[in-house]
Amino acid sequence: GESVGLHLPTLSVQEGDNSIINCAYSNSASDYFIWYKQESGKGPQFIIDIRSNMDKRQGQRVTVLLNKTVKHLSLQIAATQPGDSAVYFCAETYMGATNKLIFGTGTLLAVQP
Amino acid sequence: GAGVSQSPSNKVTEKGKDVELRCDPISGHTALYWYRQSLGQGLEFLIYFQGNSAPDKSGLPSDRFSAERTGGSVSTLTIQRTQQEDSAVYLCASSLAPGQLYEQYFGPGTRLTVT
Repeated sequence: GESVGLHLPTLSVQEGDNSIINCAYSNSASDYFIWYKQESGKGPQFIIDIRSNMDKRQGQRVTVLLNKTVKHLSLQIAATQPGDSAVYFCAETYMGATNKLIFGTGTLLAVQP
Repeated sequence: GAGVSQSPSNKVTEKGKDVELRCDPISGHTALYWYRQSLGQGLEFLIYFQGNSAPDKSGLPSDRFSAERTGGSVSTLTIQRTQQEDSAVYLCASSLAPGQLYEQYFGPGTRLTVT
């Protein structure tokens, strides 16, 4: 899969800094959220997920925060590395949706060495 | 083990021609999904297969689009009478089973260009 770069919001950070990527979701009934990373020429790759009964979930160097009140999701990447450069998508789904995912438009993360 | 594979990786076709895109899911995965990724946009759900159940076709944009899954494994997405707006990357994903507990694994996609 191609990274969709030209018209995407872009976040440029220095190597070693923390990155925060934001996403607004649309469906108040959504109860499961996922962050994906898509590198150039590849399909999306799962990073971390969170259910609606949680506000925060941590993985290795990544944290996802969920604010259901304002329907907002964020992905925090600690100590950003050049290998983190990619397009990041949030996706939402809800019970009964046959697990089809609704994706946001994506954010291009550019890590400067 | 092998991941999801898709072929061809790139396809250029003339407007009005039919195209077939192929997806080989991960062995043993019962759920299979097709998505479309247009330039400057996120992924858009097209169709979902689960075992022998009737597919969820709710995302197909027009009746020019169809898909089948033979033997519960390989899937083919067919676009008839292609139009320039069909140009996009078509992504296939599979999961061990349906439902939120099971991660969707994506293939590398087929980039379709309609001239």
